[in-house]
Amino acid sequence: NAGVTQTPKFQVLKTGQSMTLQCAQDMNHNSMYWYRQDPGMGLRLIYYSASEGTTDKGEVPNGYNVSRLNKREFSLRLESAAPSQTSVYFCASSDSASGTQYFGPGTRLLVL
Amino acid sequence: QKEVEQDPGPLSVPEGAIVSLNCTYSNSAFQYFMWYRQYSRKGPELLMYTYSSGNKEDGRFTAQVDKSSKYISLFIRDSQPSDSATYLCAMSAPTSGGYNKLIFGAGTRLAVHP
Repeated sequence: NAGVTQTPKFQVLKTGQSMTLQCAQDMNHNSMYWYRQDPGMGLRLIYYSASEGTTDKGEVPNGYNVSRLNKREFSLRLESAAPSQTSVYFCASSDSASGTQYFGPGTRLLVL
Repeated sequence: QKEVEQDPGPLSVPEGAIVSLNCTYSNSAFQYFMWYRQYSRKGPELLMYTYSSGNKEDGRFTAQVDKSSKYISLFIRDSQPSDSATYLCAMSAPTSGGYNKLIFGAGTRLAVHP
């Protein structure tokens, strides 16, 4: 049972480049989330998808877009990367009854 | 004021010590209370979650919730070097958007030295 998987593990981008972070879960969860984690800032919600076919903004959505491809997959896209988007990105999925979220291993992104 | 406050530490204890990690919160709508453990360069891993006030035990870990005081704790008995990690509290409340909003504390860094 893989749980939540994320690709890539690490990426270096130049300012202005675009990329898509991929996330998949095999727990049949309805809800999926994208967070960023920065030193001193904790985990901040970027976007979430309460169920297949819906997406909504979280706390820090500017500069990002998401796609809920199907129930398993939720991708995060940076259209024009900026140094301020250097961070560790985590995808999570949840059991809707308790809101308990299960996290992937993260993607470390460095924007130069 | 943040919805969830957690002392960032760091906390350094000798092996075998009892560790107490704490969070306070201000939102009475929070229903579920969780503790996550995050090792360096890894994703947060769910340790325990509780719904009601009181204690819940799992091995060396005990989660305590006091809703009247808006205070939660995680106790680690007989701490081991392998417990060295950052511990994040988290709390969830239902939203009109159809999902449970999860709010995290900033995390407490724990180091258990032999």
